[in-house]
This record gives sequence, structure tokens and C-alpha cells, in this order.
Amino acid sequence: TQLLEQSPQFLSIQEGENLTVYCNSSSVFSSLQWYRQEPGEGPVLLVTVVTGGEVKKLKRLTFQFGDARKDSSLHITAAQPGDTGLYLCAGSPNFGNEKLTFGTGTRLTIIP
Amino acid sequence: GAVVSQHPSWVICKSGTSVKIECRSLDFQATTMFWYRQFPKQSLMLMATSNEGSKATYEQGVEKDKFLINHASLTLSTLTVTSAHPEDSSFYICSLRRGQETQYFGPGTRLLVL
Repeated sequence: TQLLEQSPQFLSIQEGENLTVYCNSSSVFSSLQWYRQEPGEGPVLLVTVVTGGEVKKLKRLTFQFGDARKDSSLHITAAQPGDTGLYLCAGSPNFGNEKLTFGTGTRLTIIP
Repeated sequence: GAVVSQHPSWVICKSGTSVKIECRSLDFQATTMFWYRQFPKQSLMLMATSNEGSKATYEQGVEKDKFLINHASLTLSTLTVTSAHPEDSSFYICSLRRGQETQYFGPGTRLLVL
């Protein structure tokens, strides 16, 4: 069973600060997605990374896929209260394998 | 992206009754949909893969006779929780894959079994 461990599990910071969330595994993934989930709603896709070492930016969010495709990070610059939510990484183990393995989640709270 | 809807958004039922949850793809024909379960303050756990025109594939530990899945068409999959018990109370979410390696999720259905 492939596991994706996220850290930290909980994070509460002041508005304007920067933060990084990590997603780690001992297994290789063909691709990795990051989602944000609000309470009572389904996860919303933020980004998909497929190439080892790939870096993608989405406004104040920067996503990186590790060179070995076993880990990923999400960095948020100048966090805003609207960034509050549950952040989930999810990986596909093989190309063409449709199943996703979800990470343990990071619950982020941005304090105004 | 893809637009996915679920119905109902929440349901309360008595123990022992059955509940059906619908998952619809509104803008895409999906041969494969996925059903997840999420307990409070936990991540998503894949329950089963729903295949149009064939039987669903269940993950280890998920009872196929309790969680009946029917992928009736390319735009509709249903999950029926049979003889529901309080421990089945959870947030049920469906998804479909569109494009390479990306899944799009429905808004979820919250089930409370009394």
C-alpha cells in the first residue's frame, strides 16, 4: 500500500506569513495532485505535477514535485484568510492507473 | 475541468434503512467514476471504482454487498448504502477522471444514520 504522509497535520499562522506544506512517500508516483477542500464540500483541484523536479506557480502558491517523484511541497506566500482549508496531496502510482492515493491532509488556518 | 454533481447533498436516515446517493457528470461522459468516504477530520479513502456497463471494483475492506454501486450510464453512478448503521455515517464523495492523471470531485453527500 502506497502511503502519502503530509506535514504538518495542522498549521495556524497569521495573515501575511509564508508557509510550506510537505507531502512525502517512499513510493514513486507518476503524477501528483494538490487539492483544497472546504468544510462540507468536495476537494477542488489546484494543480497536477507530472515531471520530476517540476515547479508550478499558481498566483501565491508554488508547487514542486521532487526529482525522484516521491515527494512534493506546496509553498504559500503572504497567506490570506481565503487560503484557509484542508490541503490534500494525492498521487497516481502508475501511468494510466486511475486510482488516487490521498495524503493524510494538512488543515491550514490563516488568522486575520 | 469537469462538472460533477451529487444528490442528495445531505441525508438523515434511521438505522436499518437503505440510502441511495447519485453522482452525475454534467459535461463529460465518464466510463469510470470513483467513490470515496471521508470521516471527520480525516482524509479521503477510496471505496470503489465504478465502471460503466460492468461490475464495480471494491477496495480491500469495503463490503460490496453493503455498498452497492451501479454505473447505469456514462453520466450517472449510484451508491446505495444498504441496511445503514450509525458507523456508516460519513461524507461520501464521487469523482471522475478527465484527461490524464486528474480527477474532479463532486460536492459530497453527508450521511447521518441515527
